[in-house]
Amino acid sequence: GAVVSQHPSWVICKSGTSVKIECRSLDFQATTMFWYRQFPKQSLMLMATSNEGSKATYEQGVEKDKFLINHASLTLSTLTVTSAHPEDSSFYICSARSTGQSNSPLHFGNGTRLTVT
Amino acid sequence: AQKVTQAQTEISVVEKEDVTLDCVYETRDTTYYLFWYKQPPSGELVFLIRRNSFDEQNEISGRYSWNFQKSTSSFNFTITASQVVDSAVYFCALSEALGGQNFVFGPGTRLSVLP
Repeated sequence: GAVVSQHPSWVICKSGTSVKIECRSLDFQATTMFWYRQFPKQSLMLMATSNEGSKATYEQGVEKDKFLINHASLTLSTLTVTSAHPEDSSFYICSARSTGQSNSPLHFGNGTRLTVT
Repeated sequence: AQKVTQAQTEISVVEKEDVTLDCVYETRDTTYYLFWYKQPPSGELVFLIRRNSFDEQNEISGRYSWNFQKSTSSFNFTITASQVVDSAVYFCALSEALGGQNFVFGPGTRLSVLP
């Protein structure tokens, strides 16, 4: 079945540094990918919709200059947390849907646990 | 606006008990999709089921069953003869028919199955 690979699984970084998270669809093309953030014991909140070849669409309250999204190919979207701070520590999950199958279920990556010290 | 409510924050049961996880949704769309996902302690999201708004048939898959009641806007999930491996957070989710941008998760229910 469709697989979405997310890398890294976990990362620890110092405050002020930037961290890049990759989301790859391994066996299908995804025009659109989604980035979610999950704080401990909370639900998943959509941060942004990543569109191949165009700018991402950010949800209200999400800083686009802080969470840079690049979707340069049909199988890869990246989320860069710039100048990370401890409050950015969270679990980030990406998802993707096969292009041309808008009613297919979203396939999720395994998530990236970010800890900013 | 779309909204998903899972009133049960945490549930604990003893192995082999049956347990039902509640999900109530709100939407103005006439066409929509409902989902259940499992999130074990490792963090990944495991897809369990998708149901479209036109299909109110209940579904059974092994020990899992789902009851979709459009009249009460509910999509409840029952685990029969629960096992320790069922311990996880379960999310109910709702999406509009196309695009997926309005994919809304409920707050989740943490299920603990005790041996």
